[in-house]
Amino acid sequence: DQQVKQNSPSLSVQEGRISILNCDYTNSMFDYFLWYKKYPAEGPTFLISISSIKDKNEDGRFTVFLNKSAKHLSLHIVPSQPGDSAVYFCAASALQGAQKLVFGQGTRLTINP
Amino acid sequence: DTAVSQTPKYLVTQMGNDKSIKCEQNLGHDTMYWYKQDSKKFLKIMFSYNNKELIINETVPNRFSPKSPDKAHLNLHINSLELGDSAVYFCASSQEGRPSDTQYFGPGTRLTVL
Repeated sequence: DQQVKQNSPSLSVQEGRISILNCDYTNSMFDYFLWYKKYPAEGPTFLISISSIKDKNEDGRFTVFLNKSAKHLSLHIVPSQPGDSAVYFCAASALQGAQKLVFGQGTRLTINP
Repeated sequence: DTAVSQTPKYLVTQMGNDKSIKCEQNLGHDTMYWYKQDSKKFLKIMFSYNNKELIINETVPNRFSPKSPDKAHLNLHINSLELGDSAVYFCASSQEGRPSDTQYFGPGTRLTVL
């Protein structure tokens, strides 16, 4: 029973345009959310996070939006660049207790020149 | 200078064998993890250790035994390998194991059981 889901296995976007990656969760105890980026043959690397007291967090070209009522978060990348082509994982955890990240299955983003 | 390293990168073995995967981190972190990425691509936590003490054990078969000789190392030993153990295994570490700590991942070990 997957508590974090990324329903789009892949996404293709033109260079310079906005990329929007989506993630849904079911566990209302989750109050901390993260995005990780993964290149082939490498481990995931942390990209950006948001806690449930916020609805938006921005870091350069990357913005994460959280809609707690809908149990939905999204990652916006603007403008998209070829180096952004990677698999993006959404993850969630509860701030109380041991650090246990629950990951989605990832979305493969391809940026076309 | 690799922050979290794993060996081997690839491991191909027969069913029934016993194998180990090693993980080392040079970040000075207190907490280390093992994750399994299955064929459906979900990354699922298996174990976490904080300063050599087991913190999380996620209903993993007891054929899997993590061993932490010191806080910089967390090795994964698997007995009596089964076909379903084929997956990519990732090691990770974080500063203190708090939910808000960033986890740093190794490059993964692709295990294939024949």
